[in-house]
Amino acid sequence: GAVVSQHPSWVICKSGTSVKIECRSLDFQATTMFWYRQFPKQSLMLMATSNEGSKATYEQGVEKDKFLINHASLTLSTLTVTSAHPEDSSFYICSAILAQRELGETQYFGPGTRLLVL
Amino acid sequence: GENVEQHPSTLSVQEGDSAVIKCTYSDSASNYFPWYKQELGKRPQLIIDIRSNVGEKKDQRIAVTLNKTAKHFSLHITETQPEDSAVYFCAAGGSGTYKYIFGTGTRLKVLA
Repeated sequence: GAVVSQHPSWVICKSGTSVKIECRSLDFQATTMFWYRQFPKQSLMLMATSNEGSKATYEQGVEKDKFLINHASLTLSTLTVTSAHPEDSSFYICSAILAQRELGETQYFGPGTRLLVL
Repeated sequence: GENVEQHPSTLSVQEGDSAVIKCTYSDSASNYFPWYKQELGKRPQLIIDIRSNVGEKKDQRIAVTLNKTAKHFSLHITETQPEDSAVYFCAAGGSGTYKYIFGTGTRLKVLA
């Protein structure tokens, strides 16, 4: 299947700092990427849809000024958690859409970034 | 809003037995239904998917069935093995966007 990478794989930071997470589609171009958050033993919660060349679309309850998303190219989307607090500690996972003419669209996930805010 | 319900939340089976996980979705415009397997601390991996123009799809020990009228779809794993132990998520998508709505997950434990 298609490969999606994320960097960093884990990060520990102090409360109040900002953290940037990168999501890359390695062998395909993705006009649409998604950012999810997953708390322990819970499902994936969609945070926002990242669209190349336009503003991200945020889900209800997700603060766009706190979770800044930039889809700078067809292979890169970044999520910046601004002024992180302990309650932002979570597993952040991105995904990218691979569109194939005969198979339709399939969503492939990155390996995730574990964020711990002290 | 859109919703996907998944049952059971936990499932324990003996090795070699079958496991069935069921999902119900609310958005009648959904037309794509993937299933993901997630091992602890790792990314979700697509294991099988089905589109609304078919009722059943099989890949070796894994099968998925879809009932669009009832808005139900199910994952069937036969001859379960310990390495099948993981959390399984269903999702519904394709209603005019690429956005997926995920179920709450099923923790499957296969007992050796």
